[in-house]
Amino acid sequence: GIQVEQSPPDLILQEGANSTLRCNFSDSVNNLQWFHQNPWGQLINLFYIPSGTKQNGRLSATTVATERYSLLYISSSQTTDSGVYFCAVERRRTGFQKLVFGTGTRLLVSP
Amino acid sequence: EAGVVQSPRYKIIEKKQPVAFWCNPISGHNTLYWYRQNLGQGPELLIRYENEEAVDDSQLPKDRFSAERLKGVDSTLKIQPAELGDSAVYLCASSLVGQGTTQYFGPGTRLLVL
Repeated sequence: GIQVEQSPPDLILQEGANSTLRCNFSDSVNNLQWFHQNPWGQLINLFYIPSGTKQNGRLSATTVATERYSLLYISSSQTTDSGVYFCAVERRRTGFQKLVFGTGTRLLVSP
Repeated sequence: EAGVVQSPRYKIIEKKQPVAFWCNPISGHNTLYWYRQNLGQGPELLIRYENEEAVDDSQLPKDRFSAERLKGVDSTLKIQPAELGDSAVYLCASSLVGQGTTQYFGPGTRLLVL
């Protein structure tokens, strides 16, 4: 099956700092989503981004499908950004392909 | 618009007891998913429904797990009997159609088996 690797596994930031999270995947994809899992366990959709670049406030994401990676940028981080960030992909194949999650990046933003 | 609703939010049971989880997807979403998330890991798919049909249940441990989606709307996931290793968060998600579309997740049910 497809492999999804995220880096770094853990990240500690001071409030106001910027960061870049990376997601590498091992096959062509037709679905890539970034999620934020807050400390209460809720998975929140950040981006649906199988290719290209999107921005939403302080967050932006870029997927370079031909090189099989995606980046999530967090600018001016806030304590509420703390949690786990997951990248999840669906492989581009015929037949049903499930959404496969990476192991996540655990982010702690301190005041 | 209401999101995906799950209940209960927390459940503590003794091993060998049965347990059931309920999910109501976003209105109009035909596809419903059940995931299991173990501590420190990402969610893993257990079963996927297209309307009321289970189109992929290859990851569901069928000896003790069962699921149903009557009338193609809400769904129930059952474990009978529960084992210690079933302790996890059980997440329900829904999407408009199947592949290549955004999946929206509910808050999950945290199960602890003692």
